[in-house]
Amino acid sequence: DAGVIQSPRHEVTEMGQEVTLRCKPISGHNSLFWYRQTMMRGLELLIYFNNNVPIDDSGMPEDRFSAKMPNASFSTLKIQPSEPRDSAVYFCASSLGGEGPQHFGDGTRLSIL
Amino acid sequence: GESVGLHLPTLSVQEGDNSIINCAYSNSASDYFIWYKQESGKGPQFIIDIRSNMDKRQGQRVTVLLNKTVKHLSLQIAATQPGDSAVYFCAENNPGTASKLTFGTGTRLQVTL
Repeated sequence: DAGVIQSPRHEVTEMGQEVTLRCKPISGHNSLFWYRQTMMRGLELLIYFNNNVPIDDSGMPEDRFSAKMPNASFSTLKIQPSEPRDSAVYFCASSLGGEGPQHFGDGTRLSIL
Repeated sequence: GESVGLHLPTLSVQEGDNSIINCAYSNSASDYFIWYKQESGKGPQFIIDIRSNMDKRQGQRVTVLLNKTVKHLSLQIAATQPGDSAVYFCAENNPGTASKLTFGTGTRLQVTL
């Protein structure tokens, strides 16, 4: 069974550039989550969607961050403009109906120079 | 200056021995708990979950114990193997939001030969 698929796996870009991270949740899952993981702060929830609708974006650090889920099989997390402090590993996770465990992708390692 | 990151507690266990990883959770109203395993370069991987109406649940080589009185969760791994070396996270749900999880800081398990 295909798990959560994230792309790209690695991204290196210069500050000021727009960065778009992509996620394909597990087929049939209707909840999707974006997390950020750093050594300083651990694993932080940025935003989550239920049935393609954003439910809680209180973890989104600034207006530079935005997330969309245009359909049940695709979501994006965008940073514009990017800054060096955005460097982290970004994970996407999905779950079924919010009742079961979240399943994670292998993340995008983002480096902003 | 030197950056300060999260200090992960480390548990060293000899191959073949049993491992016990502990977690204190914060919210007495949480009713769903999950253990995840994270290997280097990968996303957190679901191991086992437990609901608050249970105090013990067993999987393959793993057992989760829940003590609601003292808000304590533990993961027991039987006959620990080198492949068990990873960082282990506990997570609790946010009551009223079945989907939203709060993660602990993690424990690094090192299996020695």
